[in-house]
Formats: sequence, C-alpha cells, structure tokens
Amino acid sequence: EIVLTQSPGTLSLSPGERATLSCRASQNISSSYLGWYQQKPGQAPRLLIFAASSRATGIPDRFGGSGSGTDFTLTISRLEPEDFAVYFCQQCGALPYTFGQGTKLDI
Amino acid sequence: QVQLLQSAAEVKKPGASVKVSCKASGYTFTGYYLHWVRQAPGQGLEWMGFINPRGGRTTYARNYQGRLTMTTDTSTTTVYMEVSSLRSDDTAVYFCARDVSGTFDFWGQGTLVTVSS
Repeated sequence: EIVLTQSPGTLSLSPGERATLSCRASQNISSSYLGWYQQKPGQAPRLLIFAASSRATGIPDRFGGSGSGTDFTLTISRLEPEDFAVYFCQQCGALPYTFGQGTKLDI
Repeated sequence: QVQLLQSAAEVKKPGASVKVSCKASGYTFTGYYLHWVRQAPGQGLEWMGFINPRGGRTTYARNYQGRLTMTTDTSTTTVYMEVSSLRSDDTAVYFCARDVSGTFDFWGQGTLVTVSS
C-alpha cells in the first residue's frame, strides 16, 4: 500500500499570504495519478487538482499543483477567506487508492 | 448537471448490516466507475472500493473483504453499498464519488451511519 504523508499537519496563515502544502509518497507515483481535494466542515471533498498539476473545472488559478515521483506540492498563491479548510492528497496509481491524513489550513 | 444523491442517515446496532444508496444523474451512468469513501468522525478519508456500473465488476479494499458488497441498478442509475457485521468503528460518513481517471470529480453529499447499541 502506498502511504501518503502530508505536512504540515496544521498551517496557520492570513488572507493574502501564500500557502505551500506537501504530500510525500512511500513509493514513486506517476504524476498522472495524484490528486488534491479541499474539504470544509460538513461538506464532501471537492476536487482541486488532478494529474498532479491540472486544475479541475471551476477551480481558481490561485491553486496550483506540482511535483513528481514521491514529492508533490499544492500551492495557493494568495489566500482568500474561503480557502481556510482541510486539504487532502490522493493517489490512484496503485490499489488500494489512498489519501494523505490531511493538512488543516487555519487563519 | 452531474448529481450524486445519497440516502438518509442510518442508526444500526452492532452486528447488523447497512445499505446506502447513491443515485446518479446528469451524465451517462455506465460511463464512469463509482467509488465509496468513508470518513470517521474527525478523521481522514478512507477508500473502500469501486464498482463499474456497466457490468457490475467490483474491487474492494482488502480490509473490507467479506463485509462489503457494492451493487448497481442501471434501470434507476443507482449504486448501493452494503456493509455487514457492523462494529462501532464503522461509525462514519460514507460518500460515493465519480471516478475520472482515478480522481473523484463529483461526490455525493454523504450518509452518516452510526453504529451504537
């Protein structure tokens, strides 16, 4: 099983700042098979990024994904108030599909 | 527009079974796999498995083998997920989600299943 480790666990920033979230895999993943999700309390996750760097439909361009192999990054260039949420990475390159434990983005 | 509408919350006793439905609309039902993901209170996301609505082929996570059954009804564009022999640690919100190249672009609203004596 591919284990995804996200860091930091909690990231405390202010609106307008830049956020950098990390996702490290225990084995190489093709970049085609790495996604990022945002989840707010009481809601289902929302797909932000697929294939490591492609924005999903309707996702603002302040969200960007990068990385390859075992190290992937989600960057939010200028935080808006609505961006404060929990973020999960997910790999779909090997069964079982797995998620990271999440990074909470706090004001 | 694409929608995945799940059944209402359930309360079950330990040892019982629960069956959650996920009705799909707004797209070609047989064109996309549907996955189930669960989230225990205050915890992260756990992938459970998926079903191909065209033909009903399933793949389950190993730790659910024997307790998990996914089925599909193409006449009503609905998939079902049933967990048997429920334990207290099965208490969670269960989500269905549509697969596009392995990531999940649309999600149901979630169904809370509470297992309590």
